[in-house]
Amino acid sequence: DAKTTQPTSMDCAEGRAANLPCNHSTISGNEYVYWYRQIHSQGPQYIIHGLKNNETNEMASLIITEDRKSSTLILPHATLRDTAVYYCIVRPLSGNTGKLIFGQGTTLQVKP
Amino acid sequence: DGGITQSPKYLFRKEGQNVTLSCEQNLNHDAMYWYRQDPGQGLRLIYYSQIVNDFQKGDIAEGYSVSREKKESFPLTVTSAQKNPTAFYLCASSMPAGRAKNIQYFGAGTRLSVL
Repeated sequence: DAKTTQPTSMDCAEGRAANLPCNHSTISGNEYVYWYRQIHSQGPQYIIHGLKNNETNEMASLIITEDRKSSTLILPHATLRDTAVYYCIVRPLSGNTGKLIFGQGTTLQVKP
Repeated sequence: DGGITQSPKYLFRKEGQNVTLSCEQNLNHDAMYWYRQDPGQGLRLIYYSQIVNDFQKGDIAEGYSVSREKKESFPLTVTSAQKNPTAFYLCASSMPAGRAKNIQYFGAGTRLSVL
C-alpha cells in the first residue's frame, strides 16, 4: 500500500472549515484514498473515500488532485466534537489482506 | 442496533495469565480483524479472518491467538508469551476485500493493562 504523509497537528476555529491535507505521491492507479478519524479512546470511524473524482457525504468532502498525488479532507463547519486524529490511508479495493495501514495521522483540535 | 461489540472495556492481566478479549458483530460481515494501538501510535494488525474457520497472522501475531468458529464472533487471547500486552485493542469487521467498498467498522476497544 502507498505511503501517506500528513501534518502532525492542526487547529481550527469552531464553525469554520477544517482542511486536512494528505500527500500520497506514490499512489498506484488502482488505489483509493480513505479517511478515518479516531476520537480519543474510541475506535476509528470511517469518513469518506474516493478514487479520482471529488466526493461528498454527510460528514465531509474529499478533494483529490488531478494527478492523484495529494488530497484534502474538508469538514465544512467544524464543531468541538470533530476534535480527533484523522488518518489518510491509500489502498486498493481488492487483492490485499484487507488490513488498514494507519500512520501517525493529523491531530485536529477544534477551538471555541 | 447493528454494530461491533467489544468486551470488557477495561481488562487487567496478572503475570503469566492468559486473557481473552471478546468481539461480536451483527453486521453480517465475513471479514474480521484485531488491531493493537500503543499510546500515540497508529494501529497494527494482529490477526484477521476472511471467513469462518479460517484466519491469518497479521504483522504482530506473536503472543496472541484467535478462533473463528462463528461468523459473528472473533475472540482474541493474549497469552503469557506476550511480554508487553499493555495496549488498546480494537476489533473491526468488513465485507471481504473488493466488495462493498471495503470499509472497516470498529468496536469501542478494550484497554488491557498488566497488574
